[in-house]
Amino acid sequence: DAKTTQPPSMDCAEGRAANLPCNHSTISGNEYVYWYRQIHSQGPQYIIHGLKNNETNEMASLIITEDRKSSTLILPHATLRDTAVYYCIVRLTGANSKLTFGKGITLSVRP
Amino acid sequence: GAVVSQHPSWVICKSGTSVKIECRSLDFQATTMFWYRQFPKQSLMLMATSNEGSKATYEQGVEKDKFLINHASLTLSTLTVTSAHPEDSSFYICSAQRQGAVYEQYFGPGTRLTVT
Repeated sequence: DAKTTQPPSMDCAEGRAANLPCNHSTISGNEYVYWYRQIHSQGPQYIIHGLKNNETNEMASLIITEDRKSSTLILPHATLRDTAVYYCIVRLTGANSKLTFGKGITLSVRP
Repeated sequence: GAVVSQHPSWVICKSGTSVKIECRSLDFQATTMFWYRQFPKQSLMLMATSNEGSKATYEQGVEKDKFLINHASLTLSTLTVTSAHPEDSSFYICSAQRQGAVYEQYFGPGTRLTVT
């Protein structure tokens, strides 16, 4: 079973920030939080990951609460091409560590 | 960097035949690759973990004799669906793991298999 819970869907206006929440209340100390997204009929795309500090890259920012029980993925200026299913996954690191996909959250960006 | 390709992108085959899907890491070496299956409107389900030079590890409920996996080099893994049936029609996706501090996984574009 997936160890994260996400709302099934959300929408936002183009050009605005999209804040995607994720709960992972049973996360262990050595598990990372990963975010992937999947645009229709394509393979998942890696977005960002973090352990306990906030992270930012060219695609998004990841805010992890101090107790690490939840996180938020922020797309600062959503575009229509950001419409996708976003998966929040907790994962141990290691050579055979698996990614377990839940249902994700469907983000719809409206014009 | 971190590009993973799959071939073919789609395939239609007749029931009872076998189909081979290739997964290649183009710009990095991957000692571990993973194979997933995704049915319409569902999430990705891990089928097996493939390690270069050794036998694949299959998830519970996945028939290893039906879904043959070969990981013969650090850049290539293949999945062969043997004696395909219409219920095997699905979207098959591979990922390749790049070694590093956190072993990031990068996904291929997927292969759409339709069995008639």
